[in-house]
Amino acid sequence: KQEVTQIPAALSVPEGENLVLNCSFTDSAIYNLQWFRQDPGKGLTSLLLIQSSQREQTSGRLNASLDKSSGRSTLYIAASQPGDSATYLCAGYYGNNRLAFGKGNQVVVIP
Amino acid sequence: DTAVSQTPKYLVTQMGNDKSIKCEQNLGHDTMYWYKQDSKKFLKIMFSYNNKELIINETVPNRFSPKSPDKAHLNLHINSLELGDSAVYFCASSWYRGIPEQFFGPGTRLTVL
Repeated sequence: KQEVTQIPAALSVPEGENLVLNCSFTDSAIYNLQWFRQDPGKGLTSLLLIQSSQREQTSGRLNASLDKSSGRSTLYIAASQPGDSATYLCAGYYGNNRLAFGKGNQVVVIP
Repeated sequence: DTAVSQTPKYLVTQMGNDKSIKCEQNLGHDTMYWYKQDSKKFLKIMFSYNNKELIINETVPNRFSPKSPDKAHLNLHINSLELGDSAVYFCASSWYRGIPEQFFGPGTRLTVL
């Protein structure tokens, strides 16, 4: 059974601060890792995919790293904005591209 | 243009009924998936089809039957609905090989009364 853990479950930060979201997984069979954003009542928006051969990916203010040896991924959001308020989901790929999801980091950016 | 679309967006029905949810993707992907998000917001894979062939079938009651008429469509039929089936069902698509980044639809919120 694949287990993906996200800590903290919820956090609030003042606007302008940098956000650091952590994801850990127990099984080395996980090969790729994908970060998603989910707004209340909405679907999932793909943010970044880190393939097994990569160590990090960047898109604008977002940077995600992957360390398979320690079973960890970190999503870093620079200079947070109120529009960044959402739930961020980490998901690991294993066996036939199954995604094992964490329970999410619920983020509130305070103006 | 919506990349992955689902219909209906909301579905309210009585226990014991049979219902279907439809999914279509216009990304040209060869693999499609169904995920279930429960009341605690936890997402879990249910099924996956690659080129119309079932490749993932997790521990799901056989009341749930996916059908893929072609690569761009994956439907989910649920028989004899139960209260515990209430959830948000998400469809997703990707390439099976190469870069398997999954793209999700907007979800279908199913409420069983």
